[in-house]
Amino acid sequence: ELKVEQNPLFLSMQEGKNYTIYCNYSTTSDRLYWYRQDPGKSLESLFVLLSNGAVKQEGRLMASLDTKARLSTLHITAAVHDLSATYFCAASYGNKLVFGAGTILRVKS
Amino acid sequence: SAVISQKPSRDICQRGTSLTIQCQVDSQVTMMFWYRQQPGQSLTLIATANQGSEATYESGFVIDKFPISRPNLTFSTLTVSNMSPEDSSIYLCSVDFVNTGELFFGEGSRLTVL
Repeated sequence: ELKVEQNPLFLSMQEGKNYTIYCNYSTTSDRLYWYRQDPGKSLESLFVLLSNGAVKQEGRLMASLDTKARLSTLHITAAVHDLSATYFCAASYGNKLVFGAGTILRVKS
Repeated sequence: SAVISQKPSRDICQRGTSLTIQCQVDSQVTMMFWYRQQPGQSLTLIATANQGSEATYESGFVIDKFPISRPNLTFSTLTVSNMSPEDSSIYLCSVDFVNTGELFFGEGSRLTVL
């Protein structure tokens, strides 16, 4: 059974600082997704990682995938307030997704 | 970009009643899924909506409680039957657009059961 563990569950950051969210999954997975959710909103797709060593970047966010370690990371560079949201990773089996618990990110001025 | 529309966006319902949620997509999709997000929680897959046949349910979810239809490639409904306060959640439709390799989510339907 595929399980996904995400940590930390809550992250309070100062603006301008860097931090990393970790996502471990228990068995082989086809793809690894990162989503952002703002309060009261749906999920926004951030990244899809398909292969070992994949790295994708968008603005201050960079995601990477190590399939051998079954680990994906979401790195935040020089955080700004607008990045405050809940971030979910999800691993896929077939087209189904198993989600991590989510990381609530709060960026303080 | 393709649009996923869900209706209703939110509703308040009485215990024991049923509510049907619609998901309409404006372009071809390969797969359609229904997820539940309970308050303050992550997302859990309810079922895969299969076009022209019965949905495939995940462990812990049954057809009698969550009947699903998918009459064509771009439309699906999820019914939450005989509701109780424990069914208060956001229900989200998710689709896999043809040749994108990504899964996108609708805006969600926020259901409160009193």
